[in-house]
Amino acid sequence: AQKITQTQPGMFVQEKEAVTLDCTYDTSDPSYGLFWYKQPSSGEMIFLIYQGSYDQQNATEGRYSLNFQKARKSANLVISASQLGDSAMYFCAMSPLNTGGFKTIFGAGTRLFVKA
Amino acid sequence: GAVVSQHPSRVICKSGTSVKIECRSLDFQATTMFWYRQFPKKSLMLMATSNEGSKATYEQGVEKDKFLINHASLTLSTLTVTSAHPEDSSFYICSARMDSSSGYTFGSGTRLTVV
Repeated sequence: AQKITQTQPGMFVQEKEAVTLDCTYDTSDPSYGLFWYKQPSSGEMIFLIYQGSYDQQNATEGRYSLNFQKARKSANLVISASQLGDSAMYFCAMSPLNTGGFKTIFGAGTRLFVKA
Repeated sequence: GAVVSQHPSRVICKSGTSVKIECRSLDFQATTMFWYRQFPKKSLMLMATSNEGSKATYEQGVEKDKFLINHASLTLSTLTVTSAHPEDSSFYICSARMDSSSGYTFGSGTRLTVV
């Protein structure tokens, strides 16, 4: 069975500092993709970053980087130089790549508060 | 980039009526779209997988007759909440993606309130 665990229901970070949002997963699929999404109060879901299970390097997208540790089954999101606009809900997600169905499961989410 | 348009963004309906929510992929074709439901302060719950030209695949516990899904074309999937009740009030969101290595693109969501 697949499972995504985000153990931090809420996080606070000072503006301009870096913050790490934790995500661990469990899957029996040999190949999978890991995603992070941001959900502001408006409700929309914004794709942030993607990491394939066979990718050799950790993914980076601007201020976002994914600390992928396959052996530990963790895919933590690192946000550098936090901005007030980063305050939102963040979801970690996983999708198997070998089924073609592209099904994705989501973690419970972490609410990030950026303080001025 | 890939864009998914979802309408309406908000809808209030009377108990017992039906509501249709549309999800369109604007600049790509999506043979598969997904419908999620989100309760306040909770994660997304996958309701069903919408397959173009065939029946939708529903997750366990989701009533097929209440949540009708139609995926008539490669760019449009609809979710109809039939005979809505106040407990159906929620935030519904659809998603699709261009290929296996791209992120999912989500619609802007629909906040349904049944009174």
